[in-house]
Amino acid sequence: DIQMTQSPSSLSASVGDRVTITCRASQGIGNYLAWYQQKPGKVPNLLIYAASTLQSGVPSRFSGSGSGTDFTLIISSLQPEDVATYYCQRYNSAPRTFGPGTKVEIK
Amino acid sequence: EMQLVESGGGLVQPGGSLRLSCAASGFIFSSYEMNWVRQAPGKGLEWVSYINSGGNKKYYADSVEGRLTISRDNAKNSLYLQMNNLRAEDTAVYYCAKDSGSGATPFDIWGQGTMVTVSS
Repeated sequence: DIQMTQSPSSLSASVGDRVTITCRASQGIGNYLAWYQQKPGKVPNLLIYAASTLQSGVPSRFSGSGSGTDFTLIISSLQPEDVATYYCQRYNSAPRTFGPGTKVEIK
Repeated sequence: EMQLVESGGGLVQPGGSLRLSCAASGFIFSSYEMNWVRQAPGKGLEWVSYINSGGNKKYYADSVEGRLTISRDNAKNSLYLQMNNLRAEDTAVYYCAKDSGSGATPFDIWGQGTMVTVSS
């Protein structure tokens, strides 16, 4: 099965900072990559799909890029409401594996 | 408003069984593929199972294959997860999640989750 990894596992940044999270697939998955945000105690929320397409209603400070095996989620200017764990997920075929998550905190 | 509401969670002894349900509303349930995703306490998301819109194609994570069975009743707008021979490591919040479209698509709608605790 294709494995998904993320780095870093956690990060602490200041409000207004640019934050970069990477996701790597053990085999090529084209652009079948989604990013989810899960705020503490809440349900996961779809942020980005097809590696770079912003889901409706998601702030434009979020962006995604990549294809094949290497993907990136960028928060251009970190806001207090962005405190959450971010997960990547491949959805091209089963198993639709999630990455282990990246916990984002405010410094 | 599209909505998913899970039910059926609870405390069960190791080796026991439980049936989870997910009631869908606000969209044409029979047109969408559905999934179960779980999250153990303090841990990450784990995809568990998938079922296509017609209910005749199903996939499972290796960790649950042979013990958990996904099914759906399109007439009742409901998704199910029959859980047998439960283990302590099955303890988690179980979410049902809707595919955003047909084919290979991400999960755009999630339920609030139902907690399953496997313990003696």
